[in-house]
Amino acid sequence: QKEVEQDPGPLSVPEGAIVSLNCTYSNSAFQYFMWYRQYSRKGPELLMYTYSSGNKEDGRFTAQVDKSSKYISLFIRDSQPSDSATYLCAMGGGATNKLIFGTGTLLAVQP
Amino acid sequence: DSGVTQTPKHLITATGQRVTLRCSPRSGDLSVYWYQQSLDQGLQFLIQYYNGEERAKGNILERFSAQQFPDLHSELNLSSLELGDSALYFCASSQLPGLAGVREQFFGPGTRLTVL
Repeated sequence: QKEVEQDPGPLSVPEGAIVSLNCTYSNSAFQYFMWYRQYSRKGPELLMYTYSSGNKEDGRFTAQVDKSSKYISLFIRDSQPSDSATYLCAMGGGATNKLIFGTGTLLAVQP
Repeated sequence: DSGVTQTPKHLITATGQRVTLRCSPRSGDLSVYWYQQSLDQGLQFLIQYYNGEERAKGNILERFSAQQFPDLHSELNLSSLELGDSALYFCASSQLPGLAGVREQFFGPGTRLTVL
């Protein structure tokens, strides 16, 4: 079993829809959680960063962490075609700052 | 623009050859990380350096090595290249590990390596 599981998609939604992206993990030592957006063949871009449990909102994006269920989510409101990309969850803990990435979910927002 | 720079953008070489990829971290970041991303393996952590010293190792092959120099730039050396080494190689940087709230990693644009 992988430390981090993420549905690879692809996920196709109409413009304006609410998108829900999820990851599950098995390592209870993970303390910080991130979401990256990666456009095709580009470097991953940090979208959201959350430490421990709770919610964090930034514009149209909301990140949720439920450590008791080992489950994290990213919600995108009013999705736009420009949101079409691969979304990677990442998490880690400990002194090395090593991040474990999910395999990514490919999102397509149709105009 | 993340502030992390990588050169070259593209590299085409033959099997058995050796190449060097270069990364300059964001200003003020002491940690550098190398990742490999291929279609079938996703983003794989290779190695981390912190202020010139190796800090953590991931799935890095013995044919691969890295170092971080006093000016904090880093180089990833890939030798005896095989077809399967063709991938995107990313460098990321972050501030000090171990400080809560300062663990984000910022990625460079990557180097696309093609081994023929």
